[in-house]
Amino acid sequence: DAGITQSPRYKITETGRQVTLMCHQTWSHSYMFWYRQDLGHGLRLIYYSAAADITDKGEVPDGYVVSRSKTENFPLTLESATRSQTSVYFCASSDRTGLGEQYFGPGTRLTVT
Amino acid sequence: GDSVTQMEGPVTLSEEAFLTINCTYTATGYPSLFWYVQYPGEGLQLLLKATKADDKGSNKGFEATYRKETTSFHLEKGSVQVSDSAVYFCALILLKAAGNKLTFGGGTRVLVKP
Repeated sequence: DAGITQSPRYKITETGRQVTLMCHQTWSHSYMFWYRQDLGHGLRLIYYSAAADITDKGEVPDGYVVSRSKTENFPLTLESATRSQTSVYFCASSDRTGLGEQYFGPGTRLTVT
Repeated sequence: GDSVTQMEGPVTLSEEAFLTINCTYTATGYPSLFWYVQYPGEGLQLLLKATKADDKGSNKGFEATYRKETTSFHLEKGSVQVSDSAVYFCALILLKAAGNKLTFGGGTRVLVKP
Protein backbone atom coordinates (compact mmCIF):
# COMPACT_ATOMS: atom_id res chain seq x y z
CA ASP A 1 0.00 0.00 0.00
CA ALA A 2 1.16 3.50 -0.73
CA GLY A 3 2.04 5.77 2.13
CA ILE A 4 4.03 5.56 5.30
CA THR A 5 3.72 2.59 7.61
CA GLN A 6 5.13 1.72 11.00
CA SER A 7 5.55 -1.61 12.69
CA PRO A 8 4.78 -2.87 15.16
CA ARG A 9 1.86 -0.68 16.18
CA TYR A 10 2.15 -1.80 19.79
CA LYS A 11 5.11 -3.23 21.64
CA ILE A 12 5.79 -4.20 25.21
CA THR A 13 9.38 -4.92 26.13
CA GLU A 14 11.47 -5.25 29.24
CA THR A 15 14.12 -2.91 30.55
CA GLY A 16 17.50 -3.64 29.00
CA ARG A 17 16.21 -5.33 25.86
CA GLN A 18 16.96 -4.14 22.38
CA VAL A 19 13.96 -3.20 20.27
CA THR A 20 13.67 -1.94 16.73
CA LEU A 21 10.80 0.11 15.39
CA MET A 22 10.32 0.00 11.65
CA CYS A 23 9.27 2.74 9.29
CA HIS A 24 8.62 2.35 5.57
CA GLN A 25 7.48 4.91 3.01
CA THR A 26 6.56 4.34 -0.62
CA TRP A 27 6.93 7.88 -1.96
CA SER A 28 10.74 7.91 -2.26
CA HIS A 29 10.79 10.99 -0.05
CA SER A 30 14.27 12.25 0.71
CA TYR A 31 13.68 13.23 4.31
CA MET A 32 12.60 10.97 7.13
CA PHE A 33 12.12 11.72 10.80
CA TRP A 34 11.55 10.01 14.11
CA TYR A 35 9.60 11.73 16.87
CA ARG A 36 8.43 10.72 20.27
CA GLN A 37 5.25 12.06 21.80
CA ASP A 38 4.81 12.26 25.56
CA LEU A 39 2.26 13.99 27.71
CA GLY A 40 3.58 17.36 28.77
CA HIS A 41 6.40 17.34 26.21
CA GLY A 42 4.55 17.51 22.94
CA LEU A 43 6.42 16.17 19.94
CA ARG A 44 10.20 15.83 20.15
CA LEU A 45 12.54 15.00 17.30
CA ILE A 46 14.85 12.06 17.94
CA TYR A 47 16.71 11.66 14.64
CA TYR A 48 16.26 12.68 11.06
CA SER A 49 17.71 11.73 7.71
CA ALA A 50 18.14 13.83 4.58
CA ALA A 51 18.86 10.87 2.29
CA ALA A 52 20.08 7.30 2.34
CA ASP A 53 23.18 6.97 4.49
CA ILE A 54 22.77 10.50 5.87
CA THR A 55 21.40 10.80 9.39
CA ASP A 56 21.62 13.42 12.10
CA LYS A 57 20.60 13.91 15.70
CA GLY A 58 17.51 15.72 16.75
CA GLU A 59 16.52 17.09 20.13
CA VAL A 60 16.55 13.83 22.14
CA PRO A 61 18.86 11.25 20.49
CA ASP A 62 20.38 9.61 23.57
CA GLY A 63 19.62 5.90 23.82
CA TYR A 64 18.55 5.60 20.19
CA VAL A 65 20.27 4.49 17.01
CA VAL A 66 19.08 4.89 13.44
CA SER A 67 20.20 3.73 10.03
CA ARG A 68 19.06 4.41 6.52
CA SER A 69 20.57 2.02 4.01
CA LYS A 70 17.58 2.40 1.68
CA THR A 71 15.59 5.52 0.91
CA GLU A 72 12.29 3.92 1.86
CA ASN A 73 13.26 2.52 5.27
CA PHE A 74 14.29 4.28 8.45
CA PRO A 75 14.44 1.92 11.44
CA LEU A 76 14.83 3.21 14.98
CA THR A 77 16.62 1.00 17.51
CA LEU A 78 16.58 1.29 21.26
CA GLU A 79 19.78 -0.50 22.15
CA SER A 80 18.94 -1.06 25.82
CA ALA A 81 15.40 0.04 26.55
CA THR A 82 14.64 2.07 29.67
CA ARG A 83 11.30 2.94 31.26
CA SER A 84 11.81 6.56 30.28
CA GLN A 85 11.57 5.45 26.66
CA THR A 86 7.96 4.41 27.13
CA SER A 87 6.24 6.63 24.60
CA VAL A 88 4.42 6.85 21.30
CA TYR A 89 6.84 6.99 18.40
CA PHE A 90 6.01 8.59 15.08
CA CYS A 91 7.88 8.32 11.84
CA ALA A 92 7.42 10.99 9.18
CA SER A 93 8.73 11.73 5.72
CA SER A 94 8.87 14.72 3.43
CA ASP A 95 9.93 15.60 -0.06
CA ARG A 96 12.64 18.17 -0.80
CA THR A 97 10.12 20.39 -2.57
CA GLY A 98 7.48 20.37 0.16
CA LEU A 99 9.10 22.63 2.72
CA GLY A 100 7.68 21.75 6.10
CA GLU A 101 5.09 19.36 4.71
CA GLN A 102 5.67 16.15 6.59
CA TYR A 103 3.63 12.97 6.28
CA PHE A 104 3.28 10.99 9.47
CA GLY A 105 2.87 7.30 10.09
CA PRO A 106 0.22 5.95 12.48
CA GLY A 107 2.63 5.60 15.37
CA THR A 108 4.04 2.82 17.54
CA ARG A 109 3.04 2.70 21.18
CA LEU A 110 6.02 1.32 23.11
CA THR A 111 5.85 0.27 26.74
CA VAL A 112 9.03 -0.60 28.60
CA THR A 113 8.39 -2.54 31.81
CA GLY B 1 16.35 29.83 19.08
CA ASP B 2 13.17 29.41 17.10
CA SER B 3 10.07 28.52 19.07
CA VAL B 4 6.31 28.19 18.85
CA THR B 5 3.92 28.88 21.70
CA GLN B 6 0.36 27.67 21.74
CA MET B 7 -2.43 28.14 24.20
CA GLU B 8 -2.68 25.25 26.59
CA GLY B 9 -5.70 23.04 26.48
CA PRO B 10 -7.87 21.31 26.75
CA VAL B 11 -10.34 23.52 25.00
CA THR B 12 -13.88 22.22 25.44
CA LEU B 13 -16.63 23.50 23.17
CA SER B 14 -20.16 22.70 22.19
CA GLU B 15 -20.96 21.72 18.63
CA GLU B 16 -21.38 24.75 16.30
CA ALA B 17 -19.34 26.98 18.59
CA PHE B 18 -16.53 29.23 17.31
CA LEU B 19 -13.01 27.91 17.83
CA THR B 20 -9.83 29.94 18.17
CA ILE B 21 -6.45 28.48 19.05
CA ASN B 22 -3.73 31.03 19.60
CA CYS B 23 -0.25 30.50 18.20
CA THR B 24 2.70 32.86 18.37
CA TYR B 25 6.22 32.27 17.21
CA THR B 26 9.79 33.46 17.58
CA ALA B 27 12.08 33.02 14.61
CA THR B 28 15.41 34.39 13.45
CA GLY B 29 14.25 34.69 9.85
CA TYR B 30 11.01 34.58 7.89
CA PRO B 31 9.35 31.25 8.52
CA SER B 32 6.62 29.32 6.81
CA LEU B 33 3.84 28.46 9.25
CA PHE B 34 1.71 25.36 9.57
CA TRP B 35 -1.14 23.84 11.49
CA TYR B 36 -1.12 20.08 11.91
CA VAL B 37 -3.99 18.06 13.36
CA GLN B 38 -3.82 14.74 15.20
CA TYR B 39 -7.06 12.79 15.47
CA PRO B 40 -7.32 10.20 18.25
CA GLY B 41 -5.07 7.22 17.66
CA GLU B 42 -3.52 8.63 14.51
CA GLY B 43 -0.41 10.42 13.35
CA LEU B 44 -0.31 14.11 12.58
CA GLN B 45 -1.54 15.42 9.27
CA LEU B 46 -1.11 18.79 7.68
CA LEU B 47 -4.20 20.96 8.05
CA LEU B 48 -3.10 24.21 6.45
CA LYS B 49 -0.08 26.38 5.83
CA ALA B 50 1.02 29.91 4.96
CA THR B 51 4.39 30.79 3.50
CA LYS B 52 4.54 34.58 3.77
CA ALA B 53 3.12 37.50 5.68
CA ASP B 54 -0.62 38.16 5.22
CA ASP B 55 -1.15 34.78 3.56
CA LYS B 56 -4.26 32.97 4.71
CA GLY B 57 -4.24 29.21 4.85
CA SER B 58 -7.55 27.38 4.82
CA ASN B 59 -8.83 23.82 4.80
CA LYS B 60 -11.88 21.93 6.09
CA GLY B 61 -13.44 25.17 7.34
CA PHE B 62 -10.35 26.13 9.31
CA GLU B 63 -8.44 29.33 8.62
CA ALA B 64 -5.25 30.96 9.84
CA THR B 65 -3.60 34.20 8.75
CA TYR B 66 0.14 34.80 8.90
CA ARG B 67 0.54 38.03 10.90
CA LYS B 68 4.13 39.16 10.80
CA GLU B 69 3.53 42.28 12.90
CA THR B 70 2.24 40.21 15.82
CA THR B 71 4.24 37.04 14.98
CA SER B 72 1.05 35.04 15.17
CA PHE B 73 -0.82 32.36 13.25
CA HIS B 74 -4.07 31.79 15.12
CA LEU B 75 -6.33 28.97 13.99
CA GLU B 76 -10.06 29.61 13.68
CA LYS B 77 -13.18 27.74 12.71
CA GLY B 78 -16.61 29.25 12.67
CA SER B 79 -18.70 26.22 13.58
CA VAL B 80 -17.01 23.15 15.02
CA GLN B 81 -18.27 19.61 14.83
CA VAL B 82 -17.70 16.65 17.11
CA SER B 83 -15.38 15.26 14.43
CA ASP B 84 -13.05 18.25 15.00
CA SER B 85 -12.07 16.82 18.38
CA ALA B 86 -8.32 16.40 18.06
CA VAL B 87 -4.97 17.80 19.09
CA TYR B 88 -3.81 20.77 17.02
CA PHE B 89 -0.15 21.66 16.56
CA CYS B 90 1.23 24.92 15.29
CA ALA B 91 4.65 24.68 13.63
CA LEU B 92 7.20 26.71 11.73
CA ILE B 93 10.07 26.11 9.40
CA LEU B 94 12.73 28.46 8.13
CA LEU B 95 13.60 28.46 4.46
CA LYS B 96 17.14 27.33 5.12
CA ALA B 97 16.28 24.91 7.90
CA ALA B 98 18.72 22.02 8.00
CA GLY B 99 17.06 18.72 7.29
CA ASN B 100 13.66 20.25 6.54
CA LYS B 101 12.97 20.19 10.27
CA LEU B 102 9.83 21.65 11.76
CA THR B 103 9.63 23.43 15.11
CA PHE B 104 6.38 22.40 16.81
CA GLY B 105 4.34 24.01 19.52
CA GLY B 106 3.19 21.90 22.44
CA GLY B 107 -0.20 21.09 20.96
CA THR B 108 -3.71 22.08 22.02
CA ARG B 109 -6.31 19.44 22.69
CA VAL B 110 -9.81 20.34 21.52
CA LEU B 111 -12.89 18.48 22.66
CA VAL B 112 -16.19 19.21 20.97
CA LYS B 113 -19.29 18.00 22.77
CA PRO B 114 -22.59 17.32 21.02
